[in-house]
Amino acid sequence: GDSVTQMEGPVTLSEEAFLTINCTYTATGYPSLFWYVQYPGEGLQLLLKATKADDKGSNKGFEATYRKETTSFHLEKGSVQVSDSAVYFCALSSNTGFQKLVFGTGTRLLVSP
Amino acid sequence: DAGVIQSPRHEVTEMGQEVTLRCKPISGHDYLFWYRQTMMRGLELLIYFNNNVPIDDSGMPEDRFSAKMPNASFSTLKIQPSEPRDSAVYFCASSYAQLNTEAFFGQGTRLTVV
Repeated sequence: GDSVTQMEGPVTLSEEAFLTINCTYTATGYPSLFWYVQYPGEGLQLLLKATKADDKGSNKGFEATYRKETTSFHLEKGSVQVSDSAVYFCALSSNTGFQKLVFGTGTRLLVSP
Repeated sequence: DAGVIQSPRHEVTEMGQEVTLRCKPISGHDYLFWYRQTMMRGLELLIYFNNNVPIDDSGMPEDRFSAKMPNASFSTLKIQPSEPRDSAVYFCASSYAQLNTEAFFGQGTRLTVV
């Protein structure tokens, strides 16, 4: 079945450092790919998405590119802030049949001043 | 729209009691998902509905768990009887039945079974 694998956390960075959180997926067909963010005590919010190969999703300085050849959707940000501290989830949604959203295990990011 | 609304936000109950969690999806959404989040197991999909019909309940951990969606604007997740290992944050999410669309999450219900 469909699955998402993302790097274990926590990822600990200093403010203004470069961020990469790796995500790879297994799916039949051509899924849509998402990054969600969860701030403490809150639900998940969509951060960005990409719906086809080579698409780049971006929002709030974060970017991720849909790489079909490597089945990857790595999240990057050039300069993190303390306010980016959260848990980040990679997810996919199959575009065939029922649109079940499958999540990775989440990666906690801690940014220190 | 107010977004996905879950109630209660927090629930503390004693082992053996029945617990009912409630969810109001975003109006017009065709899909409704129930997830459970724990430190040990992360985010697990319990069950999801399409047009009020349960499509896949393979994630429901035991027969003690049941979910219903009597109409397009309301769903419940019931645990009877509850056990301490059911303690978790339960999220409801909804989405349109369109390709490439994302799901919108509620704030969650933090359940503590003592």
